[in-house]
Amino acid sequence: DAKTTQPNSMESNEEEPVHLPCNHSTISGTDYIHWYRQLPSQGPEYVIHGLTSNVNNRMASLAIAEDRKSSTLILHRATLRDAAVYYCILLISNFGNEKLTFGTGTRLTIIP
Amino acid sequence: DVKVTQSSRYLVKRTGEKVFLECVQDMDHENMFWYRQDPGLGLRLIYFSYDVKMKEKGDIPEGYSVSREKKERFSLILESASTNQTSMYLCASSVVRILMGQPQHFGDGTRLSIL
Repeated sequence: DAKTTQPNSMESNEEEPVHLPCNHSTISGTDYIHWYRQLPSQGPEYVIHGLTSNVNNRMASLAIAEDRKSSTLILHRATLRDAAVYYCILLISNFGNEKLTFGTGTRLTIIP
Repeated sequence: DVKVTQSSRYLVKRTGEKVFLECVQDMDHENMFWYRQDPGLGLRLIYFSYDVKMKEKGDIPEGYSVSREKKERFSLILESASTNQTSMYLCASSVVRILMGQPQHFGDGTRLSIL
């Protein structure tokens, strides 16, 4: 399975933008890039996903490199509630075994 | 918003017991999934289902079975619980498989302890 690599941890100041990087050099042409986050004592929460083009939603933006070997999740203005573990995942886009393979993610700490 | 509800947040059972974990989703999703989450190992897929009465093994199905009698409900069964099945169990659902890349929506998890 294609794998992703993320830093173990990052810190950011409250109300500043946060850029969370992810490398996925073995990505296949039809694999989707998904981002989830997990707050303490909760299940993972979907943040955003994309295939080739940059994507924006109410929670975040996703910037995908032209060669698709890396991507960056952008939180435009971090709040204390954004402190969580962020997972970058590749979703295999085949009929059938469509599973998410979670790694260990990036633990984001927001400094007040 | 999608709501995925797991029947218990915390559960304590004894070795050898048959354990049922229930999951219900309210968005008419075809796909449902069971994962377990352990420190240092991330989330691992146990079983998934693309339709009623249909199931497929994930990465770690040993010691587990599932049941999907109704579209909205997906049950995970530990046939004879063992201590190495102590874990956080997470249920998820997503829309039809032909819409590729669709996100999965997770419940808040059941923390199961086997004594």
